Amino acid sequence: GESVGLHLPTLSVQEGDNSIINCAYSNSASDYFIWYKQESGKGPQFIIDIRSNMDKRQGQRVTVLLNKTVKHLSLQIAATQPGDSAVYFCAEKGRGSNYQLIWGAGTKLIIKP
Amino acid sequence: DTEVTQTPKHLVMGMTNKKSLKCEQHMGHRAMYWYKQKAKKPPELMFVYSYEKLSINESVPSRFSPECPNSSLLNLHLHALQPEDSALYLCASSPGAGGNNEQFFGPGTRLTVL
Repeated sequence: GESVGLHLPTLSVQEGDNSIINCAYSNSASDYFIWYKQESGKGPQFIIDIRSNMDKRQGQRVTVLLNKTVKHLSLQIAATQPGDSAVYFCAEKGRGSNYQLIWGAGTKLIIKP
Repeated sequence: DTEVTQTPKHLVMGMTNKKSLKCEQHMGHRAMYWYKQKAKKPPELMFVYSYEKLSINESVPSRFSPECPNSSLLNLHLHALQPEDSALYLCASSPGAGGNNEQFFGPGTRLTVL
């Protein structure tokens, strides 16, 4: 069936380094993608999104890249800080779907001091 | 006001109890959602209300009963739950149909069924 998956369940990064979290998706008809950050004991927090007509979108310290050819999505976090420790989920919305998101399994980002 | 609030934060209930979870948003969003999230898993969609009408029910057991009294409020009524229903219950809202319709989440209610 349709799914959004992550390559690595856990990612350890040195504080100050850049982090790259990857996500593969299988529904080529999806037209909207979102990255959420979920800290322990909290609800998912919207980080950044991208529509399928774009390849790249930048926010504050975060960049999302979309490669439709290989159906791959990535989240880059610059100069990773202790506060970036969380589980990161990618999610996609299919064309024609107003409400339903297909979620990836999540990647836990661990920051090493 | 740019947040979704949920009460209570924590809830412990027996299998014969009746309880309700509450969610509120004042962003003028017209779609509201209930999700269930188990540990180390992504959220699973349960219900969607669009313009105060139930739009999606993801085959959720009838022991979970949603209610949308108005465009700002969403309730989830719980009755005769099972221990496996213990989870984090998340409420979300989004502007409504069309566009990106990004979803904003509340902090969740941590439910334990004994």
